Amino acid sequence: EPEVTQTPSHQVTQMGQEVILRCVPISNHLYFYWYRQILGQKVEFLVSFYNNEISEKSEIFDDQFSVERPDGSNFTLKIRSTKLEDSAMYFCASSENEPVATELNTEAFFGQGTRLTVV
Amino acid sequence: RKEVEQDPGPFNVPEGATVAFNCTYSNSASQSFFWYRQDCRKEPKLLMSVYSSGNEDGRFTAQLNRASQYISLLIRDSKLSDSATYLCVVTASSGGSYIPTFGRGTSLIVHP
Repeated sequence: EPEVTQTPSHQVTQMGQEVILRCVPISNHLYFYWYRQILGQKVEFLVSFYNNEISEKSEIFDDQFSVERPDGSNFTLKIRSTKLEDSAMYFCASSENEPVATELNTEAFFGQGTRLTVV
Repeated sequence: RKEVEQDPGPFNVPEGATVAFNCTYSNSASQSFFWYRQDCRKEPKLLMSVYSSGNEDGRFTAQLNRASQYISLLIRDSKLSDSATYLCVVTASSGGSYIPTFGRGTSLIVHP
């Protein structure tokens, strides 16, 4: 069964360092997302990506964050200068179609996540 | 006002019980609705989509009430393995795109 894969599973970094979280979405999917979940809290939307550009981003996704789809396969999230409060589980997700009522196959499938710990 | 609201629980039920969760959403233009399941420190996994006519998948039944802006999940004959957090997901427009938005989740504990 196709799945979204994320690497690394766990990343420890020092405050102020740059990190790149990697994701390989399901191959025929067109919509890509990054979410984060701080321990014990809800899953929060960061950014969505379609047709090689950001389609939406949340208030969390400030100038320290960026996303790329460099080679048609990988989908990366970069945090330029990490802060302690960036410590969280970061989930990548993809869907075949945009989640609107008129479409089928709109479910988002999630990767296993990268646990980022900023020390 | 929160976009997607759920009772956090926990719901503590014996094996074999029937349990129901509700979720309310604030955006009347919301398009798609889903229930996900999340085990501790794991990724959300799709449990089922929720259709306007309601739908059933084995022991699980989902309902959508657009007029009252809520969705529900009913679990019959609960198993120990059903213990998890159940996440309500609603797609709502944000600047033109529809983004899956999560509720905080409802915790279910099924005990012997």
